[in-house]
Amino acid sequence: AQKVTQTQTSISVMEKTTVTMDCVYETQDSSYFLFWYKQTASGEIVFLIRQDSYKKENATVGHYSLNFQKPKSSIGLIITATQIEDSAVYFCAMREGDSAGNKLTFGIGTRVLVRP
Amino acid sequence: DMKVTQMPRYLIKRMGENVLLECGQDMSHETMYWYRQDPGLGLQLIYISYDVDSNSEGDIPKGYRVSRKKREHFSLILDSAKTNQTSVYFCASSRQNQDTQYFGPGTRLLVL
Repeated sequence: AQKVTQTQTSISVMEKTTVTMDCVYETQDSSYFLFWYKQTASGEIVFLIRQDSYKKENATVGHYSLNFQKPKSSIGLIITATQIEDSAVYFCAMREGDSAGNKLTFGIGTRVLVRP
Repeated sequence: DMKVTQMPRYLIKRMGENVLLECGQDMSHETMYWYRQDPGLGLQLIYISYDVDSNSEGDIPKGYRVSRKKREHFSLILDSAKTNQTSVYFCASSRQNQDTQYFGPGTRLLVL
């Protein structure tokens, strides 16, 4: 069975610095897909970035990037030059390659507070 | 502007009453989902719909049923709501062979 674990409950950083949050996953599949979502204070859930397991290069979108360490089953999210509006809860999620219907398994989230 | 909508956004019901949550999307996505979110548990999948009248149970389907008669609409029904169904419910959609799911704004349900 697939499992996604986020061990950091909350992180506090100063504005304009870099924040890194961890996520480890368990899967038996050789092909899988990893995602990060952001949930804002209003409750809105927004897709940020994804990493396909067969790709060796770390994904980057804007000031979000991933640290994909396949041997460690780890997919960290890095946010550079943080802004106040990056304060949110960040969820890691995984879809296994042969999962019918695109079923995602989510971690429980990491709360990030960006201080001015 | 592509989006997923949910109605109502807030709902208060008494135990034993029926509940209908509605979800719509304008992206012609084949696949739609219902999740619930509870503190400390993250997002849990209730049901998946692959297309009209093609639905499948997720991880926690007990106490829920769904209906999808049009591709753009997906309903979650609670027959005789229970207090432990108090939660925030999210709908999402994705293209059939694409993995990225797009979420609606959520419905906050309180069952008294």
